[in-house]
Amino acid sequence: AQKVTQAQTEISVVEKEDVTLDCVYETRDTTYYLFWYKQPPSGELVFLIRRNSFDEQNEISGRYSWNFQKSTSSFNFTITASQVVDSAVYFCALRWGAGGTSYGKLTFGQGTILTVHP
Amino acid sequence: DAGVIQSPRHEVTEMGQEVTLRCKPISGHDYLFWYRQTMMRGLELLIYFNNNVPIDDSGMPEDRFSAKMPNASFSTLKIQPSEPRDSAVYFCASSTGSYNEQFFGPGTRLTVL
Repeated sequence: AQKVTQAQTEISVVEKEDVTLDCVYETRDTTYYLFWYKQPPSGELVFLIRRNSFDEQNEISGRYSWNFQKSTSSFNFTITASQVVDSAVYFCALRWGAGGTSYGKLTFGQGTILTVHP
Repeated sequence: DAGVIQSPRHEVTEMGQEVTLRCKPISGHDYLFWYRQTMMRGLELLIYFNNNVPIDDSGMPEDRFSAKMPNASFSTLKIQPSEPRDSAVYFCASSTGSYNEQFFGPGTRLTVL
């Protein structure tokens, strides 16, 4: 079964703190893709990053960084020097399936609500 | 470039009424997805299309739900008859290829009284 677990339901930090959002996934496939999306209070879902299962390089984009570890089936997201505008719900998602009708599907985690206080 | 467009943004209707949600994907995208988001169930994939053909509708909750994609630039999700438990935010998303990121529309907030 394909599953994404975001164990942290809510996180609250003060501005300028670093914060890591955890994501653990389950899949039997050897080829899969992982994603992070941000849902700010306005409600839209904003794509942040995509990572395929063959690329375990960590990625940094400004204050955002992602740590992908296949050994622990984790794809964690760190925000450095958090800002109030980072307050949002963050979703981790898994796309699996090399064929069949599953190949386009995304399975989302339940999301982590991040609140950054000034 | 315009993103995914959804209409209406908000819909309030009474139980038993027919509801039609509309979506225009990003031009050139060959995959279109319909999702539903609720507090209890999170984000659920309802159905998705590839080149206007429905590929997997296993997420459609009941026969009351139907979706069509008559051409590459338009899709509808219809609920008939609507029930209060259908109240949710419905998102449409599109992508190029099955491996790439999906771009989401702003969503339609549906309230069924």
